[in-house]
Amino acid sequence: DTAVSQTPKYLVTQMGNDKSIKCEQNLGHDTMYWYKQDSKKFLKIMFSYNNKELIINETVPNRFSPKSPDKAHLNLHINSLELGDSAVYFCASSQALGQGTGELFFGEGSRLTVL
Amino acid sequence: AQRVTQPEKLLSVFKGAPVELKCNYSYSGSPELFWYVQYSRQRLQLLLRHISRESIKGFTADLNKGETSFHLKKPFAQEEDSAMYYCALGRYSGGYQKVTFGTGTKLQVIP
Repeated sequence: DTAVSQTPKYLVTQMGNDKSIKCEQNLGHDTMYWYKQDSKKFLKIMFSYNNKELIINETVPNRFSPKSPDKAHLNLHINSLELGDSAVYFCASSQALGQGTGELFFGEGSRLTVL
Repeated sequence: AQRVTQPEKLLSVFKGAPVELKCNYSYSGSPELFWYVQYSRQRLQLLLRHISRESIKGFTADLNKGETSFHLKKPFAQEEDSAMYYCALGRYSGGYQKVTFGTGTKLQVIP
């Protein structure tokens, strides 16, 4: 029944490693997002995909590479992890322009800790 | 550029007291404003939108274009209102929606 689901919920890893976070939505939405919430609870958009195509890339380092195999999935791969990457990463989805209320539906978040 | 400002990081009120969470925005076009809430150990969820003009869980928010504000208000705070509140501004660019969030205000309702 979960609308937007992310895995894993928790991820602890060493600096320099490569890791991925997966996101899936079963709402039939066309648009998916990745947001980063830092230790101060600031919530900042990283990427947005519409129907598998990248539409927003907010000056995120190249070490972050989103991949959307289909419109229900948006995965986030991070290379060469740094301490500053420690944060909670939220996936979200919304309906296409003109088809909804503009509401974002969020996943539960994936807490990444880089040691 | 669009910007959302929430000046208070933390707002503590006593149960039964009125609550006002401030939000100011900067955007040259016609904005869509939202309030999202994150309860402890739960996901972010929409609380209300300015265009629906509704009251949710006793909360209301009025868009004031002159003051570019969208403050969230509730006349009597309840303990269960304790949460993180984010004001958000949505705009459409190139046919797609971009939502910018404020820095959030933690509301703490003291019993």
